[in-house]
Amino acid sequence: DIQMTQSPSSLSASIGDRVTITCRASQGVGSWLAWYQQKPDKAPKSLIYAASSLQSGVPSRFSGSGSGTDFTLTISSLQPEDFATYYCQQYNFYPLTFGGGTRVEIK
Amino acid sequence: EVQLVESGGGLVQPGGSLRLSCAASGFTFSRYWMSWVRQAPGKGLEWVANIKQDGSEQFYVDSVKGRFTISRDNAKNSLYLHMNSLKPDDTAVYYCARADSMVTTRNFGYWGQGTLVTVSS
Repeated sequence: DIQMTQSPSSLSASIGDRVTITCRASQGVGSWLAWYQQKPDKAPKSLIYAASSLQSGVPSRFSGSGSGTDFTLTISSLQPEDFATYYCQQYNFYPLTFGGGTRVEIK
Repeated sequence: EVQLVESGGGLVQPGGSLRLSCAASGFTFSRYWMSWVRQAPGKGLEWVANIKQDGSEQFYVDSVKGRFTISRDNAKNSLYLHMNSLKPDDTAVYYCARADSMVTTRNFGYWGQGTLVTVSS
């Protein structure tokens, strides 16, 4: 199985900060990588697919990059509604696997 | 508007069975792969199973193979998860999720609100 490792597992940041979350795959997954945002007691929401393609309606402050084994989700200027947990997911191989999540908290 | 509404969760004893349902609307259900993804309390996301548009292919995570069966009824725009031999480790919120597109079938563009399954004596 492909292991997806996110770092950090949590971070504290202020409004307006630039935030970067890293996701590393245990073997190459090409660009078959998605990012999701989940707020407490809510369903996940798709942010990015194919490593760097923004879902329709997602603010442009979110961006993704990377390929192979190393990927990054960047929030260019953190907004109040961005405090949430973020998950990466590889979809190149079965079983489909998620990272452990990165919780973004208010500093 | 895409809507996915899960039902069927509840409390079940270890070794018991349960069937989850997901009612889909707002899109042509028969054109998309569908999945179940679960989340144990306070934990991360775990993909459980998915099924092809016509039901001819299904894939499962190893931990549920032989115990869970994913199925669909395209005439009823419905997805199901039949769960047998349930274990306490199966306790989770179960989400129904639609493939992002008809082309990229293994990431999730839309999610339901989830239904809680608790396996306990």
